Amino acid sequence: GNSVTQMEGPVTLSEEAFLTINCTYTATGYPSLFWYVQYPGEGLQLLLKATKADDKGSNKGFEATYRKETTSFHLEKGSVQVSDSAVYFCALEYGNKLVFGAGTILRVKS
Amino acid sequence: NAGVMQNPRHLVRRRGQEARLRCSPMKGHSHVYWYRQLPEEGLKFMVYLQKENIIDESGMPKERFSAEFPKEGPSILRIQQVVRGDSAAYFCASSPGWNTGELFFGEGSRLTVL
Repeated sequence: GNSVTQMEGPVTLSEEAFLTINCTYTATGYPSLFWYVQYPGEGLQLLLKATKADDKGSNKGFEATYRKETTSFHLEKGSVQVSDSAVYFCALEYGNKLVFGAGTILRVKS
Repeated sequence: NAGVMQNPRHLVRRRGQEARLRCSPMKGHSHVYWYRQLPEEGLKFMVYLQKENIIDESGMPKERFSAEFPKEGPSILRIQQVVRGDSAAYFCASSPGWNTGELFFGEGSRLTVL
């Protein structure tokens, strides 16, 4: 079936550290891929997306590249801030809906 | 422009009671999705509705759960005879149509069953 697997958290980093959150997917065909972020007490919001292989999505210093050969869509940021502390969800499009991973908690310490 | 509005934000019910969760989509959005977030788990798709139509309910439990999105008014997720396992955060999302894959989420309704 169609599914998304994310690295388990929580991930704890110091401010200005490099961030990678791994995401791999299983799908029929080549679905669009997304990263959503959920800040404490809020709903999810779209962070970035990629619609085809080798596309790179980017926003607010975050990047992710759609890798067909490794079925991956890892999220990266060169220098995290305390304000980036949140839960990050990887998702794929399937049948006019989104299928989400379990989410990865990121904690950034000053 | 108001975002997706969900209410109540917090709801406490005893086992056997009914829970009704409401969702008003963003202005201009005619597609509504309901997701459930259980503790320590990700979001699980429940149902996808357009005005007066259920498009995909493959994620809805077969019993006790129902959803509607009437021509006028908010979308309603109804859970009858709640059990402790229904305790979760229920998120509503809306979109103007399925062309971008971007969903706009509300802040969620947290249901606690005693």
